[in-house]
Amino acid sequence: NAGVMQNPRHLVRRRGQEARLRCSPMKGHSHVYWYRQLPEEGLKFMVYLQKENIIDESGMPKERFSAEFPKEGPSILRIQQVVRGDSAAYFCASSQLAGGYNEQFFGPGTRLTVL
Amino acid sequence: GQSLEQPSEVTAVEGAIVQINCTYQTSGFYGLSWYQQHDGGAPTFLSYNALDGLEETGRFSSFLSRSDSYGYLLLQELQMKDSASYFCAVGDDKIIFGKGTRLHILP
Repeated sequence: NAGVMQNPRHLVRRRGQEARLRCSPMKGHSHVYWYRQLPEEGLKFMVYLQKENIIDESGMPKERFSAEFPKEGPSILRIQQVVRGDSAAYFCASSQLAGGYNEQFFGPGTRLTVL
Repeated sequence: GQSLEQPSEVTAVEGAIVQINCTYQTSGFYGLSWYQQHDGGAPTFLSYNALDGLEETGRFSSFLSRSDSYGYLLLQELQMKDSASYFCAVGDDKIIFGKGTRLHILP
């Protein structure tokens, strides 16, 4: 039973380019969450998605960032026109249920470096 | 708003016991959870307390007092592999993490 998968594990982009981060949830999980972690910091919630729906994007910057979780395929976090401040580790998590507490299982993360 | 406070660093000796405290301010409280993260790794779930009291899982225990908005993680018989960052967290779908406590273990 594969865990949450993320790719790429490491991504290097130059300022102004686009970054696309992919997340495949655990089998049977239909809830996906994205978090960002800066060095020496805790994880910060960005967005919560179910299949084809964004449920909560309160942690997502209003510009340049978008997320989707299509009916088929992985969830995608897209960052347009990246800047140096976007350099961080981006973690995806998935859960089987939602509402109230449900354990979230985290992927290995994508480390984005913006040159 | 929601916030969590935990010490930034703790140092302990191999084989000893260490306690990592966490205080929180939140609305819609569902419980306090703890995560472990090794350098360069993903957060892994350790424990969850919805009710007051102590929950024990092997060498790790977690405690919650809802009236005090306080909890702690207790690690016993410390091993070098326990060197990691430990995060307390609250929330349901949207988890709010503390800034983490870096645990250093001395041989």
